[in-house]
Amino acid sequence: ELKVEQNPLFLSMQEGKNYTIYCNYSTTSDRLYWYRQDPGKSLESLFVLLSNGAVKQEGRLMASLDTKARLSTLHITAAVHDLSATYFCAVAAYGGATNKLIFGTGTLLAVQP
Amino acid sequence: GAGVSQSPRYKVAKRGQDVALRCDPISGHVSLFWYQQALGQGPEFLTYFQNEAQLDKSGLPSDRFFAERPEGSVSTLKIQRTQQEDSAVYLCASSFYTGAQGDTQYFGPGTRLTVL
Repeated sequence: ELKVEQNPLFLSMQEGKNYTIYCNYSTTSDRLYWYRQDPGKSLESLFVLLSNGAVKQEGRLMASLDTKARLSTLHITAAVHDLSATYFCAVAAYGGATNKLIFGTGTLLAVQP
Repeated sequence: GAGVSQSPRYKVAKRGQDVALRCDPISGHVSLFWYQQALGQGPEFLTYFQNEAQLDKSGLPSDRFFAERPEGSVSTLKIQRTQQEDSAVYLCASSFYTGAQGDTQYFGPGTRLTVL
């Protein structure tokens, strides 16, 4: 059974600082997604990572994937308050005809001024 | 173009009532998913449709949960005889391809169900 773990679960950081969120998963998958969720809102797609060594960057966020280690990271550079949200990683689960996503528990990011 | 829409956005039900939650996927999207998100948790898969065919319902928690997509577009998730543990946000997502790499699932705003 595919399991996805994120850490930390909660991250309080100051504006201007850097930090990394980690996502570990338990079985083979070659598709990993990062989503952002604001309070009371739905999930917004940030990145899709498809292959070992994939790296994608958008603004102050950079995501990478190591399929051998079954690890993805979401790196935040020089955080700003607008990045405050909950971040989820999700891994595509193989099996049958479905392409369901298995989500981590999320990381609540609070950027303090 | 419009994204995934869901209605109602909020639903309060008395225990034992039946509810129906609607999802309008992005036009032309073949795949449709339902997820359940409990407070403070990540979404959990409920069921998957490819066009009108329900190909995976392994995540439905009980036989009180039923989903359909009769014409391959709009989908309805029905919960019969609601229980308090059914209280959650129900998210619908759609994607264009079936199984293609990099196929992003686009999520709707969700329906927050509260069972009293």
